[in-house]
Amino acid sequence: RKEVEQDPGPFNVPEGATVAFNCTYSNSASQSFFWYRQDCRKEPKLLMSVYSSGNEDGRFTAQLNRASQYISLLIRDSKLSDSATYLCVVITLYNNNDMRFGAGTRLTVKP
Amino acid sequence: DAEITQSPRHKITETGRQVTLACHQTWNHNNMFWYRQDLGHGLRLIHYSYGVQDTNKGEVSDGYSVSRSNTEDLPLTLESAASSQTSVYFCASSESVTGELFFGEGSRLTVL
Repeated sequence: RKEVEQDPGPFNVPEGATVAFNCTYSNSASQSFFWYRQDCRKEPKLLMSVYSSGNEDGRFTAQLNRASQYISLLIRDSKLSDSATYLCVVITLYNNNDMRFGAGTRLTVKP
Repeated sequence: DAEITQSPRHKITETGRQVTLACHQTWNHNNMFWYRQDLGHGLRLIHYSYGVQDTNKGEVSDGYSVSRSNTEDLPLTLESAASSQTSVYFCASSESVTGELFFGEGSRLTVL
């Protein structure tokens, strides 16, 4: 089993739709979680951190479920510009600051 | 503005040749990382450094080496390039181990 797993998609949704991605992790001691966005042939860029209490940034909501060991990203009112690959990142500090990326979930928002 | 740059952006080489990919950051970050990205695997850590003279092996370090002689640079060397090392390589830096990673634009390496 991979340490961090994501549904690769692709998710094809119409503009205005709500879409959600999950990312599961295997190490229950993992402590820090992030979502990055990567456009085609570009470098990844931080989208948002994921806090235990959940956090929201405009149309984006990130949540952490420690009991089931997954994080989620919800995008409301999808825009064409949201088309990208979304990468989850899981950090386990005690394990020499082990940082693992998921393989990414590809989203295409269509007119 | 502070930035992180990689060179070359594209390189084609032959099996067995030594290749060095450069990474230079002006953020003054202590932490620097090299990743490779392949379809279906996502980003995998090759080597990382938490400061000058510090280097550590990552998940897929075989066939790669790094050196850190100053804060700004972490060059990645492929001692004897293999076709399995054809990939896109990303350098990144961060201020803290749990902080935001800032990535370079990537270096696409093809080994024939």
